[in-house]
Amino acid sequence: SQQGEEDPQALSIQEGENATMNCSYKTSINNLQWYRQNSGRGLVHLILIRSNEREKHSGRLRVTLDTSKKSSSLLITASRAADTASYFCATGAGFYTGANSKLTFGKGITLSVRP
Amino acid sequence: DTGVSQDPRHKITKRGQNVTFRCDPISEHNRLYWYRQTLGQGPEFLTYFQNEAQLEKSRLLSDRFSAERPKGSFSTLEIQRTEQGDSAMYLCASSLPWTGGGQETQYFGPGTRLLVL
Repeated sequence: SQQGEEDPQALSIQEGENATMNCSYKTSINNLQWYRQNSGRGLVHLILIRSNEREKHSGRLRVTLDTSKKSSSLLITASRAADTASYFCATGAGFYTGANSKLTFGKGITLSVRP
Repeated sequence: DTGVSQDPRHKITKRGQNVTFRCDPISEHNRLYWYRQTLGQGPEFLTYFQNEAQLEKSRLLSDRFSAERPKGSFSTLEIQRTEQGDSAMYLCASSLPWTGGGQETQYFGPGTRLLVL
């Protein structure tokens, strides 16, 4: 079963614009991770935010987490054509050593950045 | 390259045949995971290892599937008597031992794309 639900399912923007993608989840989490996947390839880790954090930055990426609303957003600023990919949020519920740390993924968002 | 590697990258087989995939994790990572991804979906958890111990298996992992990590390093995933429904991308990931803050980032390999004819 897939816990994360991303919104929108597809997003098309012009190069240079900002892209905002949202993710909602249902159960308590230890952390939420965002991944990027280029067509037919493996997943590239973008950023991890823990449940006690509210915002995190990495280069052109900004992630927010609102545990009261069980939602997260990923903002990509000044988008580039190379950002074209599918983006997934994944939640981890592992709180203690020994617990299963599997990730539960959403269906993903397809981002197209037009040159 | 010190990332997660998977072999083969592509596999085409006929229904009923057995296939085996290999995953080599990042060297200092003690946790290793297998996921399966079908077209248009996110990855779904199959099983994971902590060192050589297989600690959990998903209900998706039928009796035809078996995974091993004999020395706590590389892992293999075998599918016996393949079916067309097994066609998917099989992804391996690894992560560091846990810290006090909880689980660590999972780093994924490039995947093995399986097509069962």
